[in-house]
Amino acid sequence: KAGVTQTPRYLIKTRGQQVTLSCSPISGHRSVSWYQQTPGQGLQFLFEYFSETQRNKGNFPGRFSGRQFSNSRSEMNVSTLELGDSALYLCASSLGTSADSPLHFGNGTRLTVT
Amino acid sequence: QQQVKQSPQSLIVQKGGISIINCAYENTAFDYFPWYQQFPGKGPALLIAIRPDVSEKKEGRFTISFNKSAKQFSLHIMDSQPGDSATYFCAASKGGFQKLVFGTGTRLLVSP
Repeated sequence: KAGVTQTPRYLIKTRGQQVTLSCSPISGHRSVSWYQQTPGQGLQFLFEYFSETQRNKGNFPGRFSGRQFSNSRSEMNVSTLELGDSALYLCASSLGTSADSPLHFGNGTRLTVT
Repeated sequence: QQQVKQSPQSLIVQKGGISIINCAYENTAFDYFPWYQQFPGKGPALLIAIRPDVSEKKEGRFTISFNKSAKQFSLHIMDSQPGDSATYFCAASKGGFQKLVFGTGTRLLVSP
């Protein structure tokens, strides 16, 4: 079974631009979560989606947004990029929405903002 | 605000030894405590998880000890191997939701 696929793996953008990251969950998984990982702040929750509905949102500015499609694939968008947005963005999928349903992480998209 | 505090930041253990990583939480509403392992260039992978109604859970060489009154939990890796060298994160969630609050991570190096 294929794991969580995130594209692209690496991305370099300029301050002020916007970026869209993509996540394909494991087949059959309907829940998708996004996390930001930085050396300074560690792993921080961004969003959680299930059946195209956002169930939970982390403490990030409105420049961060996401969505989920009917095939469970998800995208996140960051507008007006800032240098501090440089990070590894991780997507995770799970079969269900409860805490007991294990999160399966992809290998992330590394975003560098210059 | 750091809701889950993890220590130590880094750890060196000899092959065959016991690795111990500790976490403490503040929010008593947390009711699910997983540990994740992350290798360089990879996403975190779930190792083992525990709920507060259980004081200890063991899976192979990995054991979680949980102290509800002290609001602390720890990961013990028995017979540590060089292949265990990775970064380990504790985490917590509440209300049955998947929103995880992660600790800051512990970089473990197991020397041959």
